[in-house]
Amino acid sequence: ILNVEQSPQSLHVQEGDSTNFTCSFPSSNFYALHWYRWETAKSPEALFVMTLNGDEKKKGRISATLNTKEGYSYLYIKGSQPEDSATYLCAFAPNDYKLSFGAGTTVTVRA
Amino acid sequence: EAGVAQSPRYKIIEKRQSVAFWCNPISGHATLYWYQQILGQGPKLLIQFQNNGVVDDSQLPKDRFSAERLKGVDSTLKIQPAKLEDSAVYLCASSPGERDRGLWWDTEAFFGQGTRLTVV
Repeated sequence: ILNVEQSPQSLHVQEGDSTNFTCSFPSSNFYALHWYRWETAKSPEALFVMTLNGDEKKKGRISATLNTKEGYSYLYIKGSQPEDSATYLCAFAPNDYKLSFGAGTTVTVRA
Repeated sequence: EAGVAQSPRYKIIEKRQSVAFWCNPISGHATLYWYQQILGQGPKLLIQFQNNGVVDDSQLPKDRFSAERLKGVDSTLKIQPAKLEDSAVYLCASSPGERDRGLWWDTEAFFGQGTRLTVV
């Protein structure tokens, strides 16, 4: 069982502010790192799938970076909006077929 | 395209009773997963199918949990008998990844809405 850690567990952000949080994973045998957004009463939805060290991906106001050598990924939300309120899950895939999830970071955006 | 369908959405049962969950993945997706998410924890992989074969069931409590994937399409997950600690959200996901074709974790997983199980 792989140790995938996300921090912080939860955070509150004022509308319009930017924020970021971390996913840490084992740095050996890296294959891919996934980010998912899980809104209440909905299905988890993929944000990014990252495979290369130094990768940086962006979708609207959300972006992610990846450092496979040191085993971490950051997710950034720029200018947070109430619709960004969700739990953000990262999942790590080593060089086999298992996808291990972190516990998630729950973001609450206050108007 | 239609998403991953799961039913029921909610289920409340008494301990020692049985329960079954159903999942219909996205058409054409070779890989299907069942995850268990206990409150405050990340999703834990219970079982992974590729087509109708089991790829990984190492974390499935086989004394009480069973799963099958009918003809490589729909899947059911059963708990018999249920315990209080089985209270969780059960998520089904599918992906087009196929290990044998070298398509795997660089493809995203698509999730259903989950079944929230409460065992009382």
